[in-house]
Amino acid sequence: AQRVTQPEKLLSVFKGAPVELKCNYSYSGSPELFWYVQYSRQRLQLLLRHISRESIKGFTADLNKGETSFHLKKPFAQEEDSAMYYCALSGSTDKLIFGTGTRLQVFP
Amino acid sequence: DTAVSQTPKYLVTQMGNDKSIKCEQNLGHDTMYWYKQDSKKFLKIMFSYNNKELIINETVPNRFSPKSPDKAHLNLHINSLELGDSAVYFCASSLSGSSDTQYFGPGTRLTVL
Repeated sequence: AQRVTQPEKLLSVFKGAPVELKCNYSYSGSPELFWYVQYSRQRLQLLLRHISRESIKGFTADLNKGETSFHLKKPFAQEEDSAMYYCALSGSTDKLIFGTGTRLQVFP
Repeated sequence: DTAVSQTPKYLVTQMGNDKSIKCEQNLGHDTMYWYKQDSKKFLKIMFSYNNKELIINETVPNRFSPKSPDKAHLNLHINSLELGDSAVYFCASSLSGSSDTQYFGPGTRLTVL
């Protein structure tokens, strides 16, 4: 079965601290993985996807097939990073499977 | 120039009523989706349509009926509303399939009393 696990429901850090939002997936093929973000009172939007291998707003994510992980990282968190973050997988079923989401709170 | 729009933004209604949520995208995408986000913020796909054809029906009760009059519109009609239907419903679209970036609407917060 295809599954996405985000073990942390809430992650709280202070501004300037490093951030890592964990994402593990279960899929036997070659997955397409995404991070979507939902800022307060805004719509869900794509943050980054693994095939583009780019850094968006200072965030990066590397696909680790051995550990079946796609953790989202940022070296120095900013208050405006506070949001709900969803890891998502597109596999063989032509649907996007979302994890349960992690709320990131960045305190000043 | 909103890419994906939904109406209404808020919907408060009584149990047993029938209601509809409309979605429109102006991105020229072929695929549209409906998602349900529950009170714990869990996001789950309900339906997807590709060029007006139903592709995914994710074990959703028959009370929910999507309708796609053309590929730019995907509406959601809900019959006999129940308390458990209270959630935020998101419409989304993508160029082709689920491996493409999905663009989401602002959501419709449905409250069933």
